[in-house]
Amino acid sequence: DAGITQSPRHKVTETGTPVTLRCHQTENHRYMYWYRQDPGHGLRLIHYSYGVKDTDKGEVSDGYSVSRSKTEDFLLTLESATSSQTSVYFCAISQLAGAYEQYFGPGTRLTVT
Amino acid sequence: SQQGEEDPQALSIQEGENATMNCSYKTSINNLQWYRQNSGRGLVHLILIRSNEREKHSGRLRVTLDTSKKSSSLLITASRAADTASYFCATDDSGGSNYKLTFGKGTLLTVNP
Repeated sequence: DAGITQSPRHKVTETGTPVTLRCHQTENHRYMYWYRQDPGHGLRLIHYSYGVKDTDKGEVSDGYSVSRSKTEDFLLTLESATSSQTSVYFCAISQLAGAYEQYFGPGTRLTVT
Repeated sequence: SQQGEEDPQALSIQEGENATMNCSYKTSINNLQWYRQNSGRGLVHLILIRSNEREKHSGRLRVTLDTSKKSSSLLITASRAADTASYFCATDDSGGSNYKLTFGKGTLLTVNP
């Protein structure tokens, strides 16, 4: 999977708890993205990063924050998880800006009870 | 809001037949991409076609792009059971952020042996 790992791969958590998902890449790509995938909605962009410490919001950013302190790691944090954040989360990377080929991680299945 | 919309939502064919999926989008684009997702896995890039191209081939894949109609089609020839997957189109927005791709909701292709 193009040198992208996500951790954890599965997580069950309770409403109101903080959760952090990690994306790690070994490709030294500049751009990193977090998506969520839900039935009937396809893939939606949460946040993206265009460099270390450079991030911006995507389509569905409410309730999520991100951080990128080094090239290889992009963290997605749910400050206080809600049941509506139950989803499969994918990280993606690209060498060029988003209009070019993206490589996806294996996904994290998050369940908020 | 969804930029690309695939049609049909689901398609079931026999092995050896051709499969055609369509994608419509709303804004002007620089390029359009197609991705495949096997069940429980991340997305895999298949092919990218630029806005000044009308047709592109890659192995058994043929992609067409009609910018006047804001539509694209993906043709898989001589399908195999291993082609069973969801297929997504993804577009950028030439008038918006250069960093982001917007994905459609996908077409679920089932190839019966």
